[in-house]
Amino acid sequence: GQSLEQPSEVTAVEGAIVQINCTYQTSGFYGLSWYQQHDGGAPTFLSYNALDGLEETGRFSSFLSRSDSYGYLLLQELQMKDSASYFCAAVSGGYNKLIFGAGTRLAVHP
Amino acid sequence: GAVVSQHPSWVICKSGTSVKIECRSLDFQATTMFWYRQFPKQSLMLMATSNEGSKATYEQGVEKDKFLINHASLTLSTLTVTSAHPEDSSFYICSARDSGGLSNQPQHFGDGTRLSIL
Repeated sequence: GQSLEQPSEVTAVEGAIVQINCTYQTSGFYGLSWYQQHDGGAPTFLSYNALDGLEETGRFSSFLSRSDSYGYLLLQELQMKDSASYFCAAVSGGYNKLIFGAGTRLAVHP
Repeated sequence: GAVVSQHPSWVICKSGTSVKIECRSLDFQATTMFWYRQFPKQSLMLMATSNEGSKATYEQGVEKDKFLINHASLTLSTLTVTSAHPEDSSFYICSARDSGGLSNQPQHFGDGTRLSIL
């Protein structure tokens, strides 16, 4: 089967750094995406790693290691508005469909 | 760019009603669109892959006669929940990827449709 594992909850304070890990077991794997979703809203795209290594986009960075079937999302200089659910999603299959992890709920406190 | 519009945002209707949800890519063409369902505090579950001009590909366990998908143009896919019942109440979200872009283009999501069946 196909599965992605990520922590269910993470708590941090403003200004801190948080890393959300994701391990995956998928067939036809092309890459790992990360999405942010606020309560009641739609997922918004954060990053995509097709190759091993680190991708940096502003305060957010994402890493992939294909040999370890592992990736992470790094959030720096946390702000209150970063409180949301974060999903890792494997891109797989002929249509590049997304298979989502269960999501990590991030709570940022003052 | 890369805007996906989903309509309606909210639907409340009686059990037995059929409900149609539209998903449009506004500024790009999408050969393939995807339909997801999300229950409260849970992940997005892929229901089906919608292909322009051909039959949709349904994930295991999703009833194709219950969830009818039509992808008649490169910018529009529709999901019809037929004879909806309370257990079909959920948040339905579509996504699309720019067919004209690189293969690593991200999927962009609509704002979702919250369906409540009474």
